[in-house]
Amino acid sequence: GQNIDQPTEMTATEGAIVQINCTYQTSGFNGLFWYQQHAGEAPTFLSYNVLDGLEEKGRFSSFLSRSKGYSYLLLKELQMKDSASYLCAVFGDNYGQNFVFGPGTRLSVLP
Amino acid sequence: DAGVTQSPTHLIKTRGQQVTLRCSPISGHKSVSWYQQVLGQGPQFIFQYYEKEERGRGNFPDRFSARQFPNYSSELNVNALLLGDSALYLCASSLDGNQPQHFGDGTRLSIL
Repeated sequence: GQNIDQPTEMTATEGAIVQINCTYQTSGFNGLFWYQQHAGEAPTFLSYNVLDGLEEKGRFSSFLSRSKGYSYLLLKELQMKDSASYLCAVFGDNYGQNFVFGPGTRLSVLP
Repeated sequence: DAGVTQSPTHLIKTRGQQVTLRCSPISGHKSVSWYQQVLGQGPQFIFQYYEKEERGRGNFPDRFSARQFPNYSSELNVNALLLGDSALYLCASSLDGNQPQHFGDGTRLSIL
């Protein structure tokens, strides 16, 4: 079956660093995506990992270990506007279940 | 460049009715996917279309159907609406379905 786990909620302080973990079990693997979703808005694409290792994009970095079925999103120099839900999604088989999203992690950044 | 556009933005229906949601992908994108997102949960995959053919289907009943037109726009149809169909319906497009997907703002469907 398809299963993606993320912590439900996290809290961090403005200016700090936070790591949001994601573990997955899917049939097939063609990439892992991270999206940010502010309340009442559509998800916006943050990062994409298909090979093991770290991808860095400004204040955001994402890491993938395919053998462990594990990824994390690292947010540095947190800002108040980073308060949002962060969705981990795995692109599995090209057919069938296709794109599987985790439940999302709601991050609250406090002053 | 215009992003993914969805219409309508909000819709209120009653149980048993039928609804059609529309999506226009980013120019040049040939793949469209539909998702249902219930409050507090991640999006659930409903359908993916590529070059007008269904490429993937999630665990949704046959009341849900979709199609993609020659201009790559898409419609999602839901028949015999139930209270549990109340959700945000998201459309996402990508070049070929294997690239990062870009989401529209969604249609918020409320069933009374």
